Amino acid sequence: NAGVTQTPKFQVLKTGQSMTLQCAQDMNHEYMSWYRQDPGMGLRLIHYSVGAGITDQGEVPNGYNVSRSTTEDFPLRLLSAAPSQTSVYFCASSAKGGPYEQYFGPGTRLTVT
Amino acid sequence: TQLLEQSPQFLSIQEGENLTVYCNSSSVFSSLQWYRQEPGEGPVLLVTVVTGGEVKKLKRLTFQFGDARKDSSLHITAAQPGDTGLYLCAGAQRGGSNYKLTFGKGTLLTVNP
Repeated sequence: NAGVTQTPKFQVLKTGQSMTLQCAQDMNHEYMSWYRQDPGMGLRLIHYSVGAGITDQGEVPNGYNVSRSTTEDFPLRLLSAAPSQTSVYFCASSAKGGPYEQYFGPGTRLTVT
Repeated sequence: TQLLEQSPQFLSIQEGENLTVYCNSSSVFSSLQWYRQEPGEGPVLLVTVVTGGEVKKLKRLTFQFGDARKDSSLHITAAQPGDTGLYLCAGAQRGGSNYKLTFGKGTLLTVNP
């Protein structure tokens, strides 16, 4: 099992550009989520999904879109990148939400100039 | 207001010393998780505590969940350089049919040889 995979590992964008961060898991987990990690801020939830076709907003959803067409994939789209979106992004999956173990991907380091 | 407060934020100790890090809140959680994150990687689950007053041991690491399920502590005995990393606590609360998982900002531990 590869677990949770994320691509790309690093990305530099100019303000206003759009891009999609990819996330895939091969553990047949229902629950997937996206977090951003900033210095001194911990992990903050952006969006999450409790199953294919179902998504919901987390703590900091503005500027990001998600969709969940399959159990395996949960891409995060930045529609018009802003410098405030410079961060490290982590995708996570779990068998179910909440108290169940979250499996994290290796992260994508995004810089917006 | 941060839902989960972790202290200390930074901790630098010598190999062989003992240490305790804390995770405190005014809210009640159905369970609490501790993760460790190494540089350039995603967090990895260490333990989940569920019952108030519960104590779990993982080799040299001892985790305790407060009686009121509002706080937790992690105690490391005879710290080793391999214990270096960011320690994150995460509390689960039920919201409707789903759980919400909230992370603290973390304690960055450095164990010097």
